[in-house]
Amino acid sequence: ETAVFQTPNYHVTQVGNEVSFNCKQTLGHDTMYWYKQDSKKLLKIMFSYNNKQLIVNETVPRRFSPQSSDKAHLNLRIKSVEPEDSAVYLCASSQTVYAEQFFGPGTRLTVL
Amino acid sequence: QQKVQQSPESLSVPEGGMASLNCTSSDRNFQYFWWYRQHSGEGPKALMSIFSDGDKKEGRFTAHLNKASLHVSLHIRDSQPSDSALYFCAASENYQGGRALIFGTGTTVSVSP
Repeated sequence: ETAVFQTPNYHVTQVGNEVSFNCKQTLGHDTMYWYKQDSKKLLKIMFSYNNKQLIVNETVPRRFSPQSSDKAHLNLRIKSVEPEDSAVYLCASSQTVYAEQFFGPGTRLTVL
Repeated sequence: QQKVQQSPESLSVPEGGMASLNCTSSDRNFQYFWWYRQHSGEGPKALMSIFSDGDKKEGRFTAHLNKASLHVSLHIRDSQPSDSALYFCAASENYQGGRALIFGTGTTVSVSP
């Protein structure tokens, strides 16, 4: 099956903990993205990677960092979570920067 | 300030009716548009793209783009309960070295049987 896969589906943690979310795409795409979808359903891009190069890095807090081992994987690490990090984190991929983006099902993070 | 604004925020349509969604870009650099749909508990999925002035039809969905006003609309004909979802407009600059898609504020569509 070709798609974008994310793990875990849900994660509950306490303030100050470190979390890591995984994303893998089997579509053979060159570009991958991480988005944050807040409680108002707004979609905001956090990072994108093209051929292991970071090409977009919107002003996100430094505690967030993308990690890529190859073009099929783009993980997201949050060093010390804060309550405002509670959201759904969506991973996506596309063949090129402007092509159709394919999204994973998302990881819902709750910070207590 | 969101660069891509959508209206209305929510919309109720009877089954079989027409749903009309609107989107405007406030940045003239962002004039290439996509429509995405997100069902509850899932990631967004692309419906269609529109890059040229005029209409583009795909099945029950028709998009209309006016580049002069940076306005794009989506019309859903013969709406079905399965069309109930959150609809996003997304815009891009589409030139070499530019940024990725900027998503709009979203319109929630509810289709009642």
